Amino acid sequence: GEDVEQSLFLSVREGDSSVINCTYTDSSSTYLYWYKQEPGAGLQLLTYIFSNMDMKQDQRLTVLLNKKDKHLSLRIADTQTGDSAIYFCAESSGGYNKLIFGAGTRLAVHP
Amino acid sequence: DTGVSQDPRHKITKRGQNVTFRCDPISEHNRLYWYRQTLGQGPEFLTYFQNEAQLEKSRLLSDRFSAERPKGSFSTLEIQRTEQGDSAMYLCASSLADSGRPSSYEQYFGPGTRLTVT
Repeated sequence: GEDVEQSLFLSVREGDSSVINCTYTDSSSTYLYWYKQEPGAGLQLLTYIFSNMDMKQDQRLTVLLNKKDKHLSLRIADTQTGDSAIYFCAESSGGYNKLIFGAGTRLAVHP
Repeated sequence: DTGVSQDPRHKITKRGQNVTFRCDPISEHNRLYWYRQTLGQGPEFLTYFQNEAQLEKSRLLSDRFSAERPKGSFSTLEIQRTEQGDSAMYLCASSLADSGRPSSYEQYFGPGTRLTVT
């Protein structure tokens, strides 16, 4: 079945890089996504990657996809306190592109 | 483009009451999704509309839940005879299905409606 797993918590120092990891099970997923959720808010689309790509870079964000291992990562360069939030990995499923989410990784940035 | 909006943002109701939530997608978006998020979890898919047609419903959507999108624009989600287990954040998302555009895979979320059943 479809399942997405993430580590629950990550703590980094301000200015360092953060790497958030995710594994998924559906090898037919067309797109894989990263969303950010701040307290009491909805989900903000950060970036996504097509399944035939290995890497995508967007300003401070780098997404790496290892399709063989079904492993996705999000690297945030020069992490700032404003990056503190919960980050969700999601895989697309089916022709209608419904999303299957992981439980989220809480990123805490400390000075 | 004002983004996806949801109303109300918060709803407190007593067990057994009916509640209705509204979602206004991004204009011209023809796909609309409802998800439910409980504390400490990621969103779970509930149902999906393409224009006014409801094309998929999750097994999470019991008979007490009904969703509509009568004119292919806004959507409503109704929960009848609410139970304490219905307490959650209800999220709406929209996207534009257009096979010629890469952006058709971008799914944008509203701020959610937080439901508390007492």
